[in-house]
Amino acid sequence: DSGVTQTPKHLITATGQRVTLRCSPRSGDLSVYWYQQSLDQGLQFLIQYYNGEERAKGNILERFSAQQFPDLHSELNLSSLELGDSALYFCASSASPGLAGTQETQYFGPGTRLLVL
Amino acid sequence: DQQVKQNSPSLSVQEGRISILNCDYTNSMFDYFLWYKKYPAEGPTFLISISSIKDKNEDGRFTVFLNKSAKHLSLHIVPSQPGDSAVYFCAASRRRDDKIIFGKGTRLHILP
Repeated sequence: DSGVTQTPKHLITATGQRVTLRCSPRSGDLSVYWYQQSLDQGLQFLIQYYNGEERAKGNILERFSAQQFPDLHSELNLSSLELGDSALYFCASSASPGLAGTQETQYFGPGTRLLVL
Repeated sequence: DQQVKQNSPSLSVQEGRISILNCDYTNSMFDYFLWYKKYPAEGPTFLISISSIKDKNEDGRFTVFLNKSAKHLSLHIVPSQPGDSAVYFCAASRRRDDKIIFGKGTRLHILP
């Protein structure tokens, strides 16, 4: 158990709909990362938040958005869903970014499996 | 453009033998490399890392080798055990805990 929780575990929805995925980081971790894992693309970094602020952006579509709340949990919002958005969405957390001399790593949650029909 | 490449989608190794998983990268700015292991229905878990100032890092049965001139790293598992059957992701970043770029993964099967 990594200490990172994600809800829901599974989500089935229709094209054009909007969904929200939720992530609670490990206790004390300030950074949250979102990843998408689809069959042919492997793990793709979407976005990172650190202590409520966006810190890094990856291959995140404009239809997707995220935020990190004062209690440090994060939500990933996916809108105007398309069939190709079906994937596993992982959240990861770490204590602080870029600390020299530390062994900071990202701890992953179990993922949310999204199926768009 | 894939910056981290794992060219073998799968690998089968006899139990007790050495498993070698390979990874190539293209971005010479990467200075921190990691290996993650993933079981079905679970998130990836951190396995071992190496900084670009080193060429080898060992942790129990797991050793990661880094060849900066070839932009290549490998993960050695000795001896391989049935519980090592999983998907292994190679990953790289420009500084620790910054955006991490993952490879597509290699599925390792340990044969009895």
